Amino acid sequence: GENVEQHPSTLSVQEGDSAVIKCTYSDSASNYFPWYKQELGKGPQLIIDIRSNVGEKKDQRIAVTLNKTAKHFSLHITETQPEDSAVYFCAASTGTASKLTFGTGTRLQVTL
Amino acid sequence: GAVVSQHPSRVICKSGTSVKIECRSLDFQATTMFWYRQFPKQSLMLMATSNEGSKATYEQGVEKDKFLINHASLTLSTLTVTSAHPEDSSFYICSAIDAQKPNYGYTFGSGTRLTVV
Repeated sequence: GENVEQHPSTLSVQEGDSAVIKCTYSDSASNYFPWYKQELGKGPQLIIDIRSNVGEKKDQRIAVTLNKTAKHFSLHITETQPEDSAVYFCAASTGTASKLTFGTGTRLQVTL
Repeated sequence: GAVVSQHPSRVICKSGTSVKIECRSLDFQATTMFWYRQFPKQSLMLMATSNEGSKATYEQGVEKDKFLINHASLTLSTLTVTSAHPEDSSFYICSAIDAQKPNYGYTFGSGTRLTVV
């Protein structure tokens, strides 16, 4: 089955700096890669996603890049703000009707 | 956008009793529901997948007789934890998709914190 690895497990940045979280996946059939933000005691919230026919996608301060050959994808957050502090999960699936396999999570802390 | 309402948000039950968690899709048809369990500071682990009107498919290591899943309608799926024990204490999260609208992606519920005492 699919295996998704995520790094780093914790990340501390100063407000205004950029944060990068990286994930690798094992199943070459995976073609949908969402990123979720989870705040304490809440369900995951989709922040951005990318499909395998696209190499990069951007939404304001958030961007995701995908390298299908290397089987890795990354989340980039620019101009970080304290409200960006949360746990971020990457995930992969072989389609939007298939089960998601989650990475291990990254705890992002944005300090003033 | 698509919304999944999950209830209760928190529940405390005595060891040996059963607890039911509900997930309702409010503005779309949940053709498939995924149930996850999340222990503190860990990732989401898929427990089972259910399609409306069919029996759920459980992941390896998940006891189907302990975690009963019902998905009898396109808007409601339930997870019942039977004979709960302290080790079942966890955060349970549902996620629904509408196979007719794949671009909607996965919609997650807000989670249920189960504490078994």
